[in-house]
Amino acid sequence: NAGVTQTPKFRILKIGQSMTLQCTQDMNHNYMYWYRQDPGMGLKLIYYSVGAGITDKGEVPNGYNVSRSTTEDFPLRLELAAPSQTSVYFCASSYRSGGELFFGEGSRLTVL
Amino acid sequence: GQQLNQSPQSMFIQEGEDVSMNCTSSSIFNTWLWYKQDPGEGPVLLIALYKAGELTSNGRLTAQFGITRKDSFLNISASIPSDVGIYFCAGQLPLSGAGSYQLTFGKGTKLSVIP
Repeated sequence: NAGVTQTPKFRILKIGQSMTLQCTQDMNHNYMYWYRQDPGMGLKLIYYSVGAGITDKGEVPNGYNVSRSTTEDFPLRLELAAPSQTSVYFCASSYRSGGELFFGEGSRLTVL
Repeated sequence: GQQLNQSPQSMFIQEGEDVSMNCTSSSIFNTWLWYKQDPGEGPVLLIALYKAGELTSNGRLTAQFGITRKDSFLNISASIPSDVGIYFCAGQLPLSGAGSYQLTFGKGTKLSVIP
């Protein structure tokens, strides 16, 4: 009963380093999303995907990249980490457009 | 982009009390959603509202979609310790040209329940 799985749960990066946050879902959902959550600020959409091979920018895409080679996986890439990218990142998926979002447990990233 | 004003930011209540929180916006949404986030977890959907004026209950939770489509409220009756967490409202609109919907989230209401 995995649902949406994110790795790693915690990571500390130095400024300028790169890394990939992994997200996989086993519910065969077409729609997948990446959000970031900053304290007291709600969730902001970074990128989303409506199906394998299709991705698009959300509200705050700068500094991030995504790919969607399979239905199950939607990794988020940070190329040159900056302190402003310190946040908690949530991956989510949904069965249909406008449907309920199922969230992962989050990945806490600190950039020093 | 759209802005949601969620209030209050935080609440401390006694176990057994009722709780009310709301969201307002200058924009019209076609769906309102309420999520709860437990510490260290991702948000989980509590209630979804699809029509203006709709009043929906889920156990001790009741939510309403405002007539103007610019607001929504969530009530929790007879609070218990496990109600502790952060409650988010979210308004939903179609994303242009993508066949998908974007959620705009409020900043959250942090609820603490004193036993």
